[in-house]
Amino acid sequence: TQLLEQSPQFLSIQEGENLTVYCNSSSVFSSLQWYRQEPGEGPVLLVTVVTGGEVKKLKRLTFQFGDARKDSSLHITAAQPGDTGLYLCAGGGETSGSRLTFGEGTQLTVNP
Amino acid sequence: GAVVSQHPSWVICKSGTSVKIECRSLDFQATTMFWYRQFPKQSLMLMATSNEGSKATYEQGVEKDKFLINHASLTLSTLTVTSAHPEDSSFYICSARMGGSWGETQYFGPGTRLLVL
Repeated sequence: TQLLEQSPQFLSIQEGENLTVYCNSSSVFSSLQWYRQEPGEGPVLLVTVVTGGEVKKLKRLTFQFGDARKDSSLHITAAQPGDTGLYLCAGGGETSGSRLTFGEGTQLTVNP
Repeated sequence: GAVVSQHPSWVICKSGTSVKIECRSLDFQATTMFWYRQFPKQSLMLMATSNEGSKATYEQGVEKDKFLINHASLTLSTLTVTSAHPEDSSFYICSARMGGSWGETQYFGPGTRLLVL
């Protein structure tokens, strides 16, 4: 069974601060997705990374896939209240087939 | 981007009734759709994998006779909660997988909030 450990589980910061969310596993994934979910809505895809060592930037968000494709990180620069939400990482492929293995989620609150 | 719709967005029903939730991929064909259940402030829990034209694959602990899944076409999957009880109250979310070069990326619907009285 593949497991994806996500940390921290909860994060409350002030507007303008930087933060990093981590997803780690002992398993190899062929792809890693990051989603953001707001209350009462479905998760919205932020990025998909597929290559070991890959770095993708989306405005103030930087996503990195580990060289061994076992871990990933999401870094937010100068967080804003609009960044508040539940961030989910999900790994796909290798032994999981078409299923995604989800991390436990990181509830981010950015205070004005 | 790929769009997945879900209907209804919320439903309130009496205990013992059945509720059907529809999941549609609007601008792409989805050979595989997934049904998840989510409790407040928790991650998603996969209930079943739905493949077009074949029987759904249920996760361990999920009753297939309780949660009926039908994947009638490449753009539609339905989840029917039969004889719903208060403990079935939850947030149900579907996703559709876009294959090919998109790999395992899944696009999620907006979710359906079910409240069983």
